Amino acid sequence: GEDVEQSLFLSVREGDSSVINCTYTDSSSTYLYWYKQEPGAGLQLLTYIFSNMDMKQDQRLTVLLNKKDKHLSLRIADTQTGDSAIYFCAESRGGKLIFGQGTELSVKP
Amino acid sequence: SAVISQKPSRDICQRGTSLTIQCQVDSQVTMMFWYRQQPGQSLTLIATANQGSEATYESGFVIDKFPISRPNLTFSTLTVSNMSPEDSSIYLCSVVSRDVEQYFGPGTRLTVT
Repeated sequence: GEDVEQSLFLSVREGDSSVINCTYTDSSSTYLYWYKQEPGAGLQLLTYIFSNMDMKQDQRLTVLLNKKDKHLSLRIADTQTGDSAIYFCAESRGGKLIFGQGTELSVKP
Repeated sequence: SAVISQKPSRDICQRGTSLTIQCQVDSQVTMMFWYRQQPGQSLTLIATANQGSEATYESGFVIDKFPISRPNLTFSTLTVSNMSPEDSSIYLCSVVSRDVEQYFGPGTRLTVT
């Protein structure tokens, strides 16, 4: 199909790691992105990964890419209450972004 | 990163009227896009705003309903024409910076009554 898919909800305890998963469809996508959207706010670019990479780490964020399975994940270490938001993955097709449905992350103290 | 502003930030409009949304970027960018986020939904691309030529629309979106202008490399407008309640959404512009990084404006929250 043409959809980028994510699970809709994830709940974790403060201090634990969060892993948000995404499957995409276009093997020719050159870049894959993660965005964060807090309630009533716009989209914040968190990180992106080039399709020929397996992993990218940026402070508490780790992105893993399995190109064979078209699977992307975002790991947030030491999750804080301020990380509560909706997280969108997106694949780039010629500059146009195709978004997943978003995963709502809830962090419980 | 590119700094993007949008006007208005929100509006409540009556059905049958039109609203023009402005997007301003603090640097020249090649690629600009307009997206729609319906309530509780993900983002859907409306069109690519092309500088000096007609916008390129995605399937399901037409120029008569969503006319777009892009007079230069830092500015674009999206008009939502002949509005109905189904047009109630957040409209976001985005730009590509440094060939890879794609940033979004804060969005325009539109409610049609």
